[in-house]
Amino acid sequence: EAQVTQNPRYLITVTGKKLTVTCSQNMNHEYMSWYRQDPGLGLRQIYYSMNVEVTDKGDVPEGYKVSRKEKRNFPLILESPSPNQTSLYFCASSPGHRGDDEQYFGPGTRLTVT
Amino acid sequence: DAKTTQPTSMDCAEGRAANLPCNHSTISGNEYVYWYRQIHSQGPQYIIHGLKNNETNEMASLIITEDRKSSTLILPHATLRDTAVYYCIVRVGLTSGTYKYIFGTGTRLKVLA
Repeated sequence: EAQVTQNPRYLITVTGKKLTVTCSQNMNHEYMSWYRQDPGLGLRQIYYSMNVEVTDKGDVPEGYKVSRKEKRNFPLILESPSPNQTSLYFCASSPGHRGDDEQYFGPGTRLTVT
Repeated sequence: DAKTTQPTSMDCAEGRAANLPCNHSTISGNEYVYWYRQIHSQGPQYIIHGLKNNETNEMASLIITEDRKSSTLILPHATLRDTAVYYCIVRVGLTSGTYKYIFGTGTRLKVLA
């Protein structure tokens, strides 16, 4: 089944403890992206990647890192999480070949930082 | 960057057409308009997209005004399962050859029995 998977789905952690949220897609997509969703603010793009080893900042990149060493994986790294990073996170991918292809979203990761 | 503006919420009677408007007055000529929906806190689901022409698929129709400053998503026969938050999104092309997505805050559509 074609899908985007994220792990973990739920995470409660403490301030300053490094964490990684994994994202993987099995559709050979070139474009991958991370979003965060907060009440009243919709989805905001954190980072995106057009292809392996190519990443760019979205609208809210502060406090996050990403890497794209393989086409299928795009982990989101929080080196020193803070309470303001408590949010619902979504990973997405799209083929990237056409000028108008659609994004496929993962199920989301709910992160709480205390 | 182009931004989108949507009404916060709307109601629609089951079986009737749901018309969801979106304003994107600062959109540029090569920027696509996408519509997604989100049920509860699940991952957003693609509905439809367009550039200049009206589009239709098995889920919905997208009407884009001639000046491209606004669009309307039409669900022709709304069902209770269409209750969701609907997002109007502009895909912004960047000089680097890549692109990013600008989400609005969405319209919460409630379909009433």
